[in-house]
Amino acid sequence: GAGVSQSPSNKVTEKGKDVELRCDPISGHTALYWYRQRLGQGLEFLIYFQGNSAPDKSGLPSDRFSAERTGESVSTLTIQRTQQEDSAVYLCASTLSVGGPRSGGELFFGEGSRLTVL
Amino acid sequence: AQSVTQPDIHITVSEGASLELRCNYSYGATPYLFWYVQSPGQGLQLLLKYFSGDTLVQGIKGFEAEFKRSQSSFNLRKPSVHWSDAAEYFCAVVGDSGYSTLTFGKGTMLLVSP
Repeated sequence: GAGVSQSPSNKVTEKGKDVELRCDPISGHTALYWYRQRLGQGLEFLIYFQGNSAPDKSGLPSDRFSAERTGESVSTLTIQRTQQEDSAVYLCASTLSVGGPRSGGELFFGEGSRLTVL
Repeated sequence: AQSVTQPDIHITVSEGASLELRCNYSYGATPYLFWYVQSPGQGLQLLLKYFSGDTLVQGIKGFEAEFKRSQSSFNLRKPSVHWSDAAEYFCAVVGDSGYSTLTFGKGTMLLVSP
């Protein structure tokens, strides 16, 4: 597609439920990032995928969070047993550059998925 | 580890007035620095970036930023603000990890008054 697409745009769930958030990157972009943006906070890095390499999961806040990506296509971020502190906007970004921003590659962001945990 | 500080949470500027948004970074080596803008209901958009060379970089929408190593700063400026510039602005630095993740500041919300 023309840009990074994320779904759902809004999700309200009850504490303890599992949620899945989807990211469809720009076609051909090898790298994909997930960030979390909580109210009044900056963007927190969660996970990074680069082609078929092992993902960098160093930003995932707990084992309730996981993400998958098949090849260079869609990615899914899963949050199990959601807690109220998981309420945030989850942003996905993709880039063509193998080295990401350090190589001059611009990150293209989706509009985000707003998650509200009641 | 790298970090980014944006000391101003909110700034209000009159339309037509000049703007400066502050950004300070902490990073051991030569930093790779970015400014992104997030308009309401939209994703983040890259305004400009600094990697090396000329310390004054030009970006889109009439924005510029100056890298000052001695002050560990990368402030964003615009000579004349338009109402459409009202948005949240994020400064970011490339991280230490080999996978080149971005570390963002907490953002500065720009309000433009008539």
